[in-house]
Amino acid sequence: QQQVKQSPQSLIVQKGGISIINCAYENTAFDYFPWYQQFPGKGPALLIAIRPDVSEKKEGRFTISFNKSAKQFSLHIMDSQPGDSATYFCAANRGSTLGRLYFGRGTQLTVWP
Amino acid sequence: EAGVAQSPRYKIIEKRQSVAFWCNPISGHATLYWYQQILGQGPKLLIQFQNNGVVDDSQLPKDRFSAERLKGVDSTLKIQPAKLEDSAVYLCASSSRLAGDSTDTQYFGPGTRLTVL
Repeated sequence: QQQVKQSPQSLIVQKGGISIINCAYENTAFDYFPWYQQFPGKGPALLIAIRPDVSEKKEGRFTISFNKSAKQFSLHIMDSQPGDSATYFCAANRGSTLGRLYFGRGTQLTVWP
Repeated sequence: EAGVAQSPRYKIIEKRQSVAFWCNPISGHATLYWYQQILGQGPKLLIQFQNNGVVDDSQLPKDRFSAERLKGVDSTLKIQPAKLEDSAVYLCASSSRLAGDSTDTQYFGPGTRLTVL
């Protein structure tokens, strides 16, 4: 059973546009929602993360929007750049599990120059 | 600060053979994770160590997979015998987290790409 559902599977955006990736979860015990960025041949790297006590978190061009009642969260990449082309994974975990991250299936983002 | 090191980077074996992967976490990180990432999917946790003790191995296929973390530092993951469906990237991650802190960052290594023929 997929604990975290992610969409779309792939996304093509023009340089300067906005990239939006969505995730949904079922387990209301989840209390930490990170996004990871993965380039080919590399391991995932933490991009930005949010706790459910806030509805939005912004770091530079990256913003997480969190809707606790809908059990959904999304990543917005403003002014998308070719260097942002990578695979993005949403994830979730709960403190009681001592760190087990449940990952979505990933979104392959391509930003055209 | 040096990152998580893994070796080998690539491995090709035939089914029913055995294989081992090695991971050296970031210095001082108490928690070490092994993930399996099948092509087109997100990483899936196989096993988690806190120092040299196993915290979570519920998703580890114990009939063929084994892992150890001697002296609470380096770790090895072994598959014996390998099956075709074991073809994947095996990622090692580490964090300095303390028990109960779910928000600590996990730092991933580059992974080992295993192909089973």
